[in-house]
Amino acid sequence: NAGVTQTPKFQVLKTGQSMTLQCAQDMNHNSMYWYRQDPGMGLRLIYYSASEGTTDKGEVPNGYNVSRLNKREFSLRLESAAPSQTSVYFCASSVHREETQYFGPGTRLLVL
Amino acid sequence: AQSVAQPEDQVNVAEGNPLTVKCTYSVSGNPYLFWYVQYPNRGLQFLLKYITGDNLVKGSYGFEAEFNKSQTSFHLKKPSALVSDSALYFCAVRAYGNNRLAFGKGNQVVVIP
Repeated sequence: NAGVTQTPKFQVLKTGQSMTLQCAQDMNHNSMYWYRQDPGMGLRLIYYSASEGTTDKGEVPNGYNVSRLNKREFSLRLESAAPSQTSVYFCASSVHREETQYFGPGTRLLVL
Repeated sequence: AQSVAQPEDQVNVAEGNPLTVKCTYSVSGNPYLFWYVQYPNRGLQFLLKYITGDNLVKGSYGFEAEFNKSQTSFHLKKPSALVSDSALYFCAVRAYGNNRLAFGKGNQVVVIP
């Protein structure tokens, strides 16, 4: 039982490049989330998916898109990366949207 | 709106001494409160939560937290700190019926041998 997995672990992009961060969970959870973590700012919600087939914006959605591919997988896409998107990205999942969230190990992204 | 304040950036404590990490919250309605811990280069690990019932909540690794409605606080405590407790601790709150968690900025805990 791997829990929540994220790929890649680390990525360097140039400004304007695109990339997709992958997240998968094997806990049969219905809800999934994408956060970014910046020093001194805690975690901020980018997008979430309350259930398969639905996605909603969080606190800081600009510059990102998401896809809930199936119940297990929830990807985050940066279409045109900017230095302000340098951050650590965490995926999380929960049984339902009001239950405890469990986090993946994170992806460190550096945009030059 | 919902928010969390963790007033201290860093908490230093000697090994074996009691550890307290402070958290106050603001939310409309009944709060759901959570504590998470993050070790270096790792994801967040769930420690404990308060939903309803007993104000004293016990969680993983010997941690506990006390919900105080009048003071809108949910401080994390451990009776005897270990060096391995050195990590970043996050408090989070969600209002009943709201699926979004609001996180505090985090507290760095340093346990001195």
